Amino acid sequence: DIQMTQSPPSLSASLGDKVTITCQTSQNINKYIAWYQQKPGKAPRLLIGFTSRLVSGIPSRFSGSGSGRDYSFSISNVESEDIASYYCLQYDNSPWTFGGGTKLELK
Amino acid sequence: QVKLLQSGAALVKPGASVKMSCKASGYTFTDYWVSWVKQSHGKSLEWIGEIYPNSGATNFNEKFKGKATLTVDKSTSTAYMELSRLTSEDSAIYYCTQWFAYWGQGTLVTVSS
Repeated sequence: DIQMTQSPPSLSASLGDKVTITCQTSQNINKYIAWYQQKPGKAPRLLIGFTSRLVSGIPSRFSGSGSGRDYSFSISNVESEDIASYYCLQYDNSPWTFGGGTKLELK
Repeated sequence: QVKLLQSGAALVKPGASVKMSCKASGYTFTDYWVSWVKQSHGKSLEWIGEIYPNSGATNFNEKFKGKATLTVDKSTSTAYMELSRLTSEDSAIYYCTQWFAYWGQGTLVTVSS
């Protein structure tokens, strides 16, 4: 199974900050990584697919990059509505696996 | 628009089974894999398995083989997951998802005597 090491587990930011979350995979996943936002009591919401493809309707302050085994997800100009948990998912090799999550809080 | 509507919360006794549903609308049900994902309280997400409604083909995370059974009813565009021999470790929210793009609202399963 492909292991997903997501960091940091938690992040404290001020409104307007830029934050970055990383996922390192145990093997090359050929850019098949997606990023999700999850708010309490809600289902995950797809933000980005295939490393950097922003889903329609998702604000451009969200972005993703990476290749091989190293991937990152950023939010520029954090807004209050971005306070949530974020997860990465690799879908290159079954079993599909998720990162451990990052909880974004306001400083 | 794509919607996945899951069945309501369930309280079940240890050792029993539970079957939950996921009714799809807004797309051709038979064209897309439906996956099931477990989220234990306050924890990350685990992929359980997937089913291709057109053929009924399934793939599972080894961890959930023997625990989860996936089926579909094409006539009602509904996917089902049955969990057997429940223990407290199975208490969680379970999501169905159309290829991780669209998600149901989740079904809370609580295993307690």
